Amino acid sequence: EVQLVESGGDLVQPGGSLKLSCAASGFTFSDYAIYWVRQASGKGLEWVGRIRSKTNNYATAYGASVKGRFTVSRDDSKNTAYLQMNSLRTEDTAVYYCTRTLGGGFDSWGQGTLVTVSS
Amino acid sequence: QSALTQPASVSGSPGQSIAISCTGTSSDVGDNNYVSWYQQHPGKAPKLIIYDVSKRPSGVSDRFSGSKSGNTASLTISGLQAEDEADYYCSAYTTTSTWVFGGGTKLTVL
Repeated sequence: EVQLVESGGDLVQPGGSLKLSCAASGFTFSDYAIYWVRQASGKGLEWVGRIRSKTNNYATAYGASVKGRFTVSRDDSKNTAYLQMNSLRTEDTAVYYCTRTLGGGFDSWGQGTLVTVSS
Repeated sequence: QSALTQPASVSGSPGQSIAISCTGTSSDVGDNNYVSWYQQHPGKAPKLIIYDVSKRPSGVSDRFSGSKSGNTASLTISGLQAEDEADYYCSAYTTTSTWVFGGGTKLTVL
C-alpha cells in the first residue's frame, strides 16, 4: 500500500523558517517525482512545488507565491522528501500535503501537516 | 499562473446528474491532456477521481466521468448519491512545467 506521511508542521513567527518531511513507503520512491500542495483553512488547493527523480536530474519547480523562499529536496536512501520554507509569511499558514503522480493526476496523498505562521 | 475557474457551488437531487466546469487557458487545460479532478470531504485529504482528462483510477465509481473541449474541462457525476456531497477541484499541467488548481466547487446533494 502506498503511504505518504508528512511531519514537521509547527507554529512559527513571520520571517522564520521551517522544514517539512514526507516519508514514503509502499512504492519505489526513487522512481517518482514528489509534489507539495497546500491548503489554507476554508480555501482551495495550491500547488507549491516538486522535485523530479534522479533520472530527471532532481529538477525542481515552484509556484509563483513561494519561488525564492521555499526549496524542495529529497533523500532517496531514506525514502523521504523535504520542503524547506524560509522567510515565512502569515499567508503561508496552511495544511501542507505531499503527493505523487499517476499519469496526469496526484494519486496518493498524505494526511497533511499544519503550518501556522503567526506572532 | 492564475487558478483555473470553477463554479463556487452546484447542487442536485439524488439520482440526478450534475456537471462541474473547469476553465483555463491555452497554456494549461488547452495545452495537454494532464487534467485531473479531486474529491475532498471535510477534514480529509483530496482523493483523485479522474486523471488524464477522462481516466478513472482503480476503485473509483464509473458514475464519475471527465471530458475536455478546448480550454474547458468538465466533471460529470451521474446518479448522485448523498456521499458525493463534497468539494471538487480540477487541476492541469502548464506550459511552464508547473501545476495549477481550480478554486474548487462545493457540491450539495439536496
